[in-house]
Amino acid sequence: AQSVTQPDIHITVSEGASLELRCNYSYGATPYLFWYVQSPGQGLQLLLKYFSGDTLVQGIKGFEAEFKRSQSSFNLRKPSVHWSDAAEYFCAVAGTYKYIFGTGTRLKVLA
Amino acid sequence: GAGVSQSPSNKVTEKGKDVELRCDPISGHTALYWYRQRLGQGLEFLIYFQGNSAPDKSGLPSDRFSAERTGESVSTLTIQRTQQEDSAVYLCASRWRQSNTEAFFGQGTRLTVV
Repeated sequence: AQSVTQPDIHITVSEGASLELRCNYSYGATPYLFWYVQSPGQGLQLLLKYFSGDTLVQGIKGFEAEFKRSQSSFNLRKPSVHWSDAAEYFCAVAGTYKYIFGTGTRLKVLA
Repeated sequence: GAGVSQSPSNKVTEKGKDVELRCDPISGHTALYWYRQRLGQGLEFLIYFQGNSAPDKSGLPSDRFSAERTGESVSTLTIQRTQQEDSAVYLCASRWRQSNTEAFFGQGTRLTVV
């Protein structure tokens, strides 16, 4: 069965520090993977997606993610976090139609 | 329209009343999803529509919840006899049929049952 695990419920980093949010998935075939961000009171915005090809994908707002099939992971990274990055981040996997989300990681940024 | 539109944006209702939430997907998107997001929680899948196929209702939490979609257009999520535990943000998303496409989300309807 498809599933997504985001092991970190909360992460706190200082502004300017690097960031890595973890995502592990379970899916029988080639997964389509996504990262979304949700700012307070807002809907979900797509940060980046992986369908095939280069395993390092670039997204908006300076985010990138690396697909590692051997580890069933799709971790999100940013080299230098800005205060405006404080939000909730969701990893998702999609098959033919099912779109499954992780439980989210809430990011807090310290000034 | 340009994006997924949901209405109302906020709804306060009394316990026991019925509510209807509306979602207008992006034109041409055949797939439509409803999710529930309780305060501080992740996204809970409710129901999925794909064109004229039978919907996947496996996520509906009880028979008080139902949803309809006519063709590839508007969808309505109905909650009958609302309970306080139904208080949440209800998110709608749509996407193209193909699996290698992303879902686009509306801003959600915040439902408060008092």
